[in-house]
Amino acid sequence: DTGVSQDPRHKITKRGQNVTFRCDPISEHNRLYWYRQTLGQGPEFLTYFQNEAQLEKSRLLSDRFSAERPKGSFSTLEIQRTEQGDSAMYLCASSPTNGELFFGEGSRLTVL
Amino acid sequence: QKEVEQNSGPLSVPEGAIASLNCTYSDRGSQSFFWYRQYSGKSPELIMFIYSNGDKEDGRFTAQLNKASQYVSLLIRDSQPSDSATYLCAAAAGNKLTFGGGTRVLVKP
Repeated sequence: DTGVSQDPRHKITKRGQNVTFRCDPISEHNRLYWYRQTLGQGPEFLTYFQNEAQLEKSRLLSDRFSAERPKGSFSTLEIQRTEQGDSAMYLCASSPTNGELFFGEGSRLTVL
Repeated sequence: QKEVEQNSGPLSVPEGAIASLNCTYSDRGSQSFFWYRQYSGKSPELIMFIYSNGDKEDGRFTAQLNKASQYVSLLIRDSQPSDSATYLCAAAAGNKLTFGGGTRVLVKP
């Protein structure tokens, strides 16, 4: 399977704990995006990488969120001190060009 | 005001009819526009994109763009039950792709 893969697919955690999600993009894509989606809403932009450089980050993203893409390959999204409002589907997408996003299956986070 | 607005629906369409979906955007710097389809419990997948004013056809799908009115639409001809999904409109400005809330479409046999 050469699509975008995300891990874990589901994560249940207690409020205050830290969680980390991993995304492996399609290998020839140098653009990588993280989005968050809640039920009944469209995906909300979180951050964007071109190769290893994080070029854009949503103003809505609190300091508890951090993303990395070392060596321009896989990416991680960490949420520190999780809150119940962080419960959502976290979607990773990679792209060969601007806008043509290929999404992974997502990582569903539930904060108790 | 949201940057990309869509009617949430549901839009109920008889099988074989045309489904018409609308989207407006607020950022005049948006350069290109995309329609994604999302089945329940699945991730969005790209249907088509449009950069220039006018119509663009791809199979049963036609996208229409009017930059002066900041309006994008998607027509689905000969709608099939398998077209039942949420359709997401997205606008690209710079490196950022902003999605609307989606329109849920139900195609009834």
